[in-house]
Amino acid sequence: NAGVMQNPRHLVRRRGQEARLRCSPMKGHSHVYWYRQLPEEGLKFMVYLQKENIIDESGMPKERFSAEFPKEGPSILRIQQVVRGDSAAYFCASSPRNDYNEQFFGPGTRLTVL
Amino acid sequence: KQEVTQIPAALSVPEGENLVLNCSFTDSAIYNLQWFRQDPGKGLTSLLLIQSSQREQTSGRLNASLDKSSGRSTLYIAASQPGDSATYLCAVRPQGGKLIFGQGTELSVKP
Repeated sequence: NAGVMQNPRHLVRRRGQEARLRCSPMKGHSHVYWYRQLPEEGLKFMVYLQKENIIDESGMPKERFSAEFPKEGPSILRIQQVVRGDSAAYFCASSPRNDYNEQFFGPGTRLTVL
Repeated sequence: KQEVTQIPAALSVPEGENLVLNCSFTDSAIYNLQWFRQDPGKGLTSLLLIQSSQREQTSGRLNASLDKSSGRSTLYIAASQPGDSATYLCAVRPQGGKLIFGQGTELSVKP
Protein backbone atom coordinates (compact mmCIF):
# COMPACT_ATOMS: atom_id res chain seq x y z
CA ASN A 1 0.00 0.00 0.00
CA ALA A 2 1.76 3.13 -1.20
CA GLY A 3 1.92 6.03 1.17
CA VAL A 4 0.82 9.59 0.55
CA MET A 5 2.37 10.82 -2.68
CA GLN A 6 3.24 14.42 -3.40
CA ASN A 7 4.64 15.94 -6.54
CA PRO A 8 6.70 17.66 -7.47
CA ARG A 9 9.13 17.20 -4.59
CA HIS A 10 10.87 20.45 -5.44
CA LEU A 11 9.38 23.38 -7.32
CA VAL A 12 11.06 26.62 -8.33
CA ARG A 13 8.96 29.56 -9.45
CA ARG A 14 9.67 33.19 -10.20
CA ARG A 15 7.64 35.89 -8.52
CA GLY A 16 4.27 36.28 -10.16
CA GLN A 17 4.06 32.74 -11.53
CA GLU A 18 1.60 30.07 -10.43
CA ALA A 19 2.51 27.04 -8.35
CA ARG A 20 0.49 23.82 -8.43
CA LEU A 21 1.15 21.20 -5.79
CA ARG A 22 -0.37 17.73 -6.05
CA CYS A 23 -1.25 15.22 -3.39
CA SER A 24 -2.47 11.65 -3.85
CA PRO A 25 -3.77 10.26 -0.55
CA MET A 26 -3.24 6.72 0.63
CA LYS A 27 -5.55 4.15 -0.92
CA GLY A 28 -8.91 4.18 0.82
CA HIS A 29 -8.38 7.62 2.37
CA SER A 30 -10.95 10.24 1.51
CA HIS A 31 -9.76 13.04 3.83
CA VAL A 32 -6.87 15.30 2.83
CA TYR A 33 -5.13 18.01 4.86
CA TRP A 34 -2.55 20.56 3.72
CA TYR A 35 0.06 22.08 6.04
CA ARG A 36 2.81 24.60 5.48
CA GLN A 37 6.21 24.74 7.16
CA LEU A 38 7.89 28.10 6.78
CA PRO A 39 11.65 28.36 7.40
CA GLU A 40 12.38 28.37 11.14
CA GLU A 41 8.68 27.98 11.93
CA GLY A 42 6.48 25.11 12.89
CA LEU A 43 3.92 23.31 10.81
CA LYS A 44 0.70 25.25 10.32
CA PHE A 45 -2.63 23.89 9.13
CA MET A 46 -3.95 25.35 5.90
CA VAL A 47 -6.99 23.45 4.63
CA TYR A 48 -8.96 20.23 5.12
CA LEU A 49 -10.84 18.62 2.23
CA GLN A 50 -12.99 15.63 1.55
CA LYS A 51 -13.83 14.49 -1.95
CA GLU A 52 -15.30 17.52 -3.78
CA ASN A 53 -15.74 19.48 -0.53
CA ILE A 54 -13.71 21.98 1.46
CA ILE A 55 -14.40 21.27 5.12
CA ASP A 56 -12.12 23.79 6.83
CA GLU A 57 -10.01 26.45 5.13
CA SER A 58 -9.41 28.56 8.20
CA GLY A 59 -5.62 28.37 7.85
CA MET A 60 -5.40 29.30 4.22
CA PRO A 61 -4.60 32.88 3.16
CA LYS A 62 -7.69 34.49 1.66
CA GLU A 63 -5.94 35.68 -1.46
CA ARG A 64 -3.95 33.79 -4.09
CA PHE A 65 -4.37 30.36 -2.43
CA SER A 66 -6.96 27.75 -3.38
CA ALA A 67 -7.37 24.01 -2.91
CA GLU A 68 -9.48 21.29 -4.42
CA PHE A 69 -9.98 17.55 -4.11
CA PRO A 70 -11.98 16.40 -7.13
CA LYS A 71 -13.94 13.18 -7.36
CA GLU A 72 -11.20 11.73 -9.55
CA GLY A 73 -7.53 12.53 -9.27
CA PRO A 74 -5.24 14.11 -6.70
CA SER A 75 -5.83 17.03 -4.42
CA ILE A 76 -4.35 20.27 -5.76
CA LEU A 77 -3.05 23.24 -3.80
CA ARG A 78 -2.75 26.24 -6.11
CA ILE A 79 -0.84 29.40 -5.35
CA GLN A 80 -1.30 32.22 -7.82
CA GLN A 81 1.14 35.09 -8.32
CA VAL A 82 3.68 33.64 -5.93
CA VAL A 83 5.81 35.91 -3.75
CA ARG A 84 9.08 35.19 -1.92
CA GLY A 85 7.21 34.73 1.33
CA ASP A 86 5.47 31.67 -0.14
CA SER A 87 8.79 29.77 -0.11
CA ALA A 88 8.20 26.90 2.26
CA ALA A 89 7.68 23.16 2.52
CA TYR A 90 4.08 22.16 1.84
CA PHE A 91 2.93 18.88 3.31
CA CYS A 92 -0.15 16.89 2.56
CA ALA A 93 -1.66 14.33 4.93
CA SER A 94 -4.51 11.89 4.58
CA SER A 95 -6.75 9.82 6.84
CA PRO A 96 -9.54 7.33 6.18
CA ARG A 97 -12.01 9.22 8.37
CA ASN A 98 -12.05 12.44 10.23
CA ASP A 99 -12.72 11.37 13.75
CA TYR A 100 -9.96 9.90 15.86
CA ASN A 101 -7.76 8.65 13.07
CA GLU A 102 -4.08 9.12 12.45
CA GLN A 103 -2.96 11.46 9.75
CA PHE A 104 -0.28 10.08 7.44
CA PHE A 105 2.01 12.59 5.81
CA GLY A 106 3.58 12.77 2.41
CA PRO A 107 7.22 13.74 1.76
CA GLY A 108 6.32 17.35 1.03
CA THR A 109 6.86 19.78 -1.81
CA ARG A 110 9.58 22.33 -1.28
CA LEU A 111 8.64 25.54 -3.04
CA THR A 112 11.30 28.13 -3.75
CA VAL A 113 10.27 31.50 -5.15
CA LEU A 114 13.05 33.44 -6.85
CA LYS B 1 -7.00 29.24 21.33
CA GLN B 2 -5.06 25.98 21.47
CA GLU B 3 -1.31 26.32 21.81
CA VAL B 4 1.24 23.52 21.89
CA THR B 5 4.64 23.89 23.50
CA GLN B 6 7.54 21.48 23.40
CA ILE B 7 10.41 21.48 25.83
CA PRO B 8 13.33 21.37 25.38
CA ALA B 9 13.81 22.91 21.95
CA ALA B 10 17.04 20.95 21.51
CA LEU B 11 18.63 18.04 23.30
CA SER B 12 21.98 16.31 22.92
CA VAL B 13 22.64 13.01 24.68
CA PRO B 14 25.20 10.20 24.48
CA GLU B 15 24.15 6.93 22.94
CA GLY B 16 22.38 4.54 25.28
CA GLU B 17 20.66 7.13 27.44
CA ASN B 18 16.97 7.03 28.21
CA LEU B 19 15.32 10.36 27.54
CA VAL B 20 12.02 12.19 27.86
CA LEU B 21 10.55 14.79 25.53
CA ASN B 22 7.78 17.01 26.83
CA CYS B 23 4.70 18.45 25.16
CA SER B 24 2.09 20.68 26.77
CA PHE B 25 -1.16 22.07 25.39
CA THR B 26 -3.45 24.78 26.68
CA ASP B 27 -6.90 23.34 25.92
CA SER B 28 -7.72 19.85 27.19
CA ALA B 29 -10.60 19.44 24.71
CA ILE B 30 -8.73 17.23 22.25
CA TYR B 31 -9.62 14.08 20.34
CA ASN B 32 -6.12 12.72 20.18
CA LEU B 33 -2.42 13.53 20.30
CA GLN B 34 0.13 12.36 17.79
CA TRP B 35 3.93 12.20 17.99
CA PHE B 36 5.94 12.49 14.79
CA ARG B 37 9.53 12.29 13.74
CA GLN B 38 10.97 14.57 11.04
CA ASP B 39 14.40 14.05 9.53
CA PRO B 40 16.12 17.09 7.94
CA GLY B 41 14.55 17.96 4.60
CA LYS B 42 12.10 15.08 4.86
CA GLY B 43 8.44 14.50 5.62
CA LEU B 44 6.84 13.44 8.88
CA THR B 45 6.74 9.89 10.15
CA SER B 46 3.96 9.08 12.60
CA LEU B 47 5.36 7.43 15.71
CA LEU B 48 2.45 7.09 18.12
CA LEU B 49 -1.19 8.15 18.33
CA ILE B 50 -2.93 8.44 21.69
CA GLN B 51 -6.68 8.82 21.75
CA SER B 52 -8.11 11.17 24.37
CA SER B 53 -9.47 8.21 26.34
CA GLN B 54 -6.07 6.53 26.55
CA ARG B 55 -3.22 7.11 28.98
CA GLU B 56 -0.32 5.73 27.00
CA GLN B 57 0.85 3.96 23.87
CA THR B 58 4.00 1.94 23.25
CA SER B 59 5.90 1.00 20.13
CA GLY B 60 9.26 -0.69 20.49
CA ARG B 61 11.60 1.62 22.43
CA LEU B 62 9.05 4.44 22.41
CA ASN B 63 6.40 5.10 25.00
CA ALA B 64 4.06 8.07 24.93
CA SER B 65 1.82 9.12 27.79
CA LEU B 66 -1.10 11.52 27.89
CA ASP B 67 -2.54 13.43 30.84
CA LYS B 68 -5.36 15.32 29.21
CA SER B 69 -6.56 17.08 32.34
CA SER B 70 -3.19 18.70 32.93
CA GLY B 71 -2.52 19.26 29.24
CA ARG B 72 0.66 17.21 29.05
CA SER B 73 2.21 14.41 27.05
CA THR B 74 5.65 12.86 27.24
CA LEU B 75 7.57 10.78 24.74
CA TYR B 76 10.00 8.38 26.39
CA ILE B 77 12.81 6.94 24.27
CA ALA B 78 14.69 4.03 25.81
CA ALA B 79 18.31 3.19 25.05
CA SER B 80 18.75 6.00 22.52
CA GLN B 81 20.72 5.36 19.32
CA PRO B 82 22.38 7.72 16.81
CA GLY B 83 19.64 6.77 14.34
CA ASP B 84 17.12 8.40 16.69
CA SER B 85 18.60 11.81 15.86
CA ALA B 86 15.80 13.88 14.33
CA THR B 87 13.23 16.51 15.23
CA TYR B 88 10.30 15.19 17.25
CA LEU B 89 6.96 16.91 16.84
CA CYS B 90 3.92 16.74 19.03
CA ALA B 91 0.49 17.58 17.56
CA VAL B 92 -2.96 17.74 19.12
CA ARG B 93 -6.24 17.34 17.33
CA PRO B 94 -9.07 19.51 18.65
CA GLN B 95 -12.57 19.26 17.24
CA GLY B 96 -12.40 19.18 13.48
CA GLY B 97 -9.72 17.78 11.24
CA LYS B 98 -6.66 19.90 11.73
CA LEU B 99 -3.59 19.13 13.80
CA ILE B 100 -1.95 21.85 15.88
CA PHE B 101 1.78 21.33 16.14
CA GLY B 102 4.41 22.28 18.64
CA GLN B 103 7.70 23.75 17.49
CA GLY B 104 9.50 20.45 17.98
CA THR B 105 12.46 19.11 19.93
CA GLU B 106 15.64 18.63 17.93
CA LEU B 107 17.36 15.51 19.27
CA SER B 108 20.98 14.61 18.68
CA VAL B 109 22.29 11.26 19.94
CA LYS B 110 26.07 11.10 19.96
CA PRO B 111 27.86 7.79 19.34
